[in-house]
Amino acid sequence: GQSLEQPSEVTAVEGAIVQINCTYQTSGFYGLSWYQQHDGGAPTFLSYNALDGLEETGRFSSFLSRSDSYGYLLLQELQMKDSASYFCAVRVRGSGGGADGLTFGKGTHLIIQP
Amino acid sequence: GAGVSQSPSNKVTEKGKDVELRCDPISGHTALYWYRQSLGQGLEFLIYFQGNSAPDKSGLPSDRFSAERTGGSVSTLTIQRTQQEDSAVYLCASTARQGRNSPLHFGNGTRLTVT
Repeated sequence: GQSLEQPSEVTAVEGAIVQINCTYQTSGFYGLSWYQQHDGGAPTFLSYNALDGLEETGRFSSFLSRSDSYGYLLLQELQMKDSASYFCAVRVRGSGGGADGLTFGKGTHLIIQP
Repeated sequence: GAGVSQSPSNKVTEKGKDVELRCDPISGHTALYWYRQSLGQGLEFLIYFQGNSAPDKSGLPSDRFSAERTGGSVSTLTIQRTQQEDSAVYLCASTARQGRNSPLHFGNGTRLTVT
């Protein structure tokens, strides 16, 4: 099976930078995704890393180290609207010839303070 | 449609009753997933459909849960003889292609409360 670990809650100040870490244990790993979910809303896709290194998309960046089974999401110039839960998810090879799976972590609740 | 549509948005049912939850994916999306999210928890995989292939049912928690997808589009998740531990938000997602970097597009979910 797969397991993912991420902090349950992180607090940061508006305008600052915050990093949300994710470690995983899995077999047949393909890549690491990040999703954002506001309270009562649907999760929305942020990024996907299949190779080691940093991917940047505007204020958000995502990093992956396959050798360390570790990744992080970096949010810069924090805004109040960034208050949400952030989930890492691993894409793994399907078992028994089945389709690839996507397993989510329990999520990190990001609290932004003015 | 513009996005993944789920109905009903809220469902309150009595323990022991059966419920049906509906998901209408984005038009043209071939893959459809069902997840369950309990309060403050992550997303628990339930079942996956890809085109006309046999679904991956490996996440269904018991034989009270079943799902079907008719015509490769709309999907229905059925929970029989509901229990209080079934209370959760049930999320449906679809994706346009099978590539490993394909993002999932989620609906707003059905909040199920079993009393």
